[in-house]
Amino acid sequence: NAGVTQTPKFQVLKTGQSMTLQCAQDMNHNSMYWYRQDPGMGLRLIYYSASEGTTDKGEVPNGYNVSRLNKREFSLRLESAAPSQTSVYFCASSDRRDGSYEQYFGPGTRLTVT
Amino acid sequence: GQSLEQPSEVTAVEGAIVQINCTYQTSGFYGLSWYQQHDGGAPTFLSYNALDGLEETGRFSSFLSRSDSYGYLLLQELQMKDSASYFCAVEVNRDDKIIFGKGTRLHILP
Repeated sequence: NAGVTQTPKFQVLKTGQSMTLQCAQDMNHNSMYWYRQDPGMGLRLIYYSASEGTTDKGEVPNGYNVSRLNKREFSLRLESAAPSQTSVYFCASSDRRDGSYEQYFGPGTRLTVT
Repeated sequence: GQSLEQPSEVTAVEGAIVQINCTYQTSGFYGLSWYQQHDGGAPTFLSYNALDGLEETGRFSSFLSRSDSYGYLLLQELQMKDSASYFCAVEVNRDDKIIFGKGTRLHILP
């Protein structure tokens, strides 16, 4: 049981390049999320998917696209990377159980855009 | 929209008790969660409150007052390993949208 996995762990891009961050979970959770974390800013929600086939914008969706490929996988794409997208990106999944709502986070992807 | 306020830093002594407050302004509030994050690591779940009152899990407790749009995390018998950042997060409209506060850095003195 690997939980939530993310690839890659580190990435350096040049301005204007594109890339896709991959996320997968093996807990059969319905909901999945992408957050970015910058110093002093906490975690900001980029996009989320409450179920397979649906995606919704979060707080900071501009410059990103997502795909909920199936129940297990949720990818985040940067079409034309900008230095402002330098950040740590966390994927999470969650489900409602026993009156609680717990998110499980992946280890993060550290992205630098030069 | 949503906004959450929590102190940026708190300092406490090993073995003591500390309370981290969180106030929120959220349309469609459904529940309040708390997460811990050590430097370089991923956030990990601590607690969730959807109803008013106190939830206790070992040394950690979490409180919610929906009428005051306020909650807190209480950490007892502080240990050095509790040095970390703590985030409150609100669930909006029960549609699985989770918004985080900016976090509170907890410093523990020996």
